[in-house]
Amino acid sequence: KNEVEQSPQNLTAQEGEFITINCSYSVGISALHWLQQHPGGGIVSLFMLSSGKKKHGRLIATINIQEKHSSLHITASHPRDSAVYICAVRSSSIISSGSARQLTFGSGTQLTVLP
Amino acid sequence: NAGVTQTPKFRVLKTGQSMTLLCAQDMNHEYMYWYRQDPGMGLRLIHYSVGEGTTAKGEVPDGYNVSRLKKQNFLLGLESAAPSQTSVYFCAISAGVRTQYFGPGTRLLVL
Repeated sequence: KNEVEQSPQNLTAQEGEFITINCSYSVGISALHWLQQHPGGGIVSLFMLSSGKKKHGRLIATINIQEKHSSLHITASHPRDSAVYICAVRSSSIISSGSARQLTFGSGTQLTVLP
Repeated sequence: NAGVTQTPKFRVLKTGQSMTLLCAQDMNHEYMYWYRQDPGMGLRLIHYSVGEGTTAKGEVPDGYNVSRLKKQNFLLGLESAAPSQTSVYFCAISAGVRTQYFGPGTRLLVL
């Protein structure tokens, strides 16, 4: 079982729809990241969170530490939101300090927003 | 991708050839990383560095070497390229264990 699982793998929506992408993880974490990979390949960090909720424009990220689950929401979706959205976690393990510096990535969710 | 550049953007190699990928940053961040991205898989860490002169292995280090002789540069070397190393390689930087900033990527094809 992968440490980081994202669902769905692919998502197609109509412009204006509310979108939710889910991320579940199996290890204790110190932080969770959401990233966006543009069709051209560039990767941009959207959020880093360790508890609660963060909002930036039409994007909202939430995390439930007890349930080991995070969601990324996009309100009023637009074709320019079409991209791959990637969840990544940083382990909180104290066994290996090296692992605390590393991110483990999900395989991504391909979002397509149709006009 | 501001502040992180990668050279080259695209390269084709024959099996057994060697090459070096360069990552350069102008943000003065201590941490630098090399990842590979393959279809259907998440980004996987090859090697990383927490400061000038230090490097450490990541999840998939075999077949790669790295050096961090200068704080702003992180080199990834392939001594004898194999078709399994065909991938897209991303460099990233961070100020400690915080947000990572990614370079634009290098597409490598090994024939």
